[in-house]
Amino acid sequence: AQSVTQLDSHVSVSEGTPVLLRCNYSSSYSPSLFWYVQHPNKGLQLLLKYTSAATLVKGINGFEAEFKKSETSFHLTKPSAHMSDAAEYFCVVSDGGYSSASKIIFGSGTRLSIRP
Amino acid sequence: EAEVAQSPRYKITEKSQAVAFWCDPISGHATLYWYRQILGQGPELLVQFQDESVVDDSQLPKDRFSAERLKGVDSTLKIQPAELGDSAMYLCASSFSGSLFTDTQYFGPGTRLTVL
Repeated sequence: AQSVTQLDSHVSVSEGTPVLLRCNYSSSYSPSLFWYVQHPNKGLQLLLKYTSAATLVKGINGFEAEFKKSETSFHLTKPSAHMSDAAEYFCVVSDGGYSSASKIIFGSGTRLSIRP
Repeated sequence: EAEVAQSPRYKITEKSQAVAFWCDPISGHATLYWYRQILGQGPELLVQFQDESVVDDSQLPKDRFSAERLKGVDSTLKIQPAELGDSAMYLCASSFSGSLFTDTQYFGPGTRLTVL
């Protein structure tokens, strides 16, 4: 069985300061891990994904995440927050592989607010 | 840029009525997903199609929900009868082959259902 836990339901940072959104996962197999962003009234958009290659993954808009197997974590970071980063962020785990029947589990989401 | 289309964007209905949502995936995408996102939660996969075949419908409440993708292109999700607890955002997504290892899921804007 697999699961994903987003440790913070809401994170608030000042513009220009670092962002850290935390995600822990559980998986019986080598997982694939993803971060998605959801802006109000817009569809979910893939930020980045880990699929067993490099453990430090770079995504769009300056975001990156590091896969740490020993800590079962996949935290999302950004060095400097921008007002446009305000959105809901979802960590996602899949039981991996090339199969089209991979199970997909979304976390409950973290709302990121940016203070001017 | 090609997008996943969904209609309607908003639907208000009374309990015990029937509702239907439509999704048109990106052209050439073999895999289509329907998700339900309850307010304040992450999306939950309801059903996944590979072409016209169901790959996973383990979380679909089959007593009232049905989904079809007759020609392996667009898809319809139906609820009959609707219940108050069905109020949620219904998201459609598509990907080229369904392998999250190699592909990306592209999400539509969603249909927000309110059941009164």
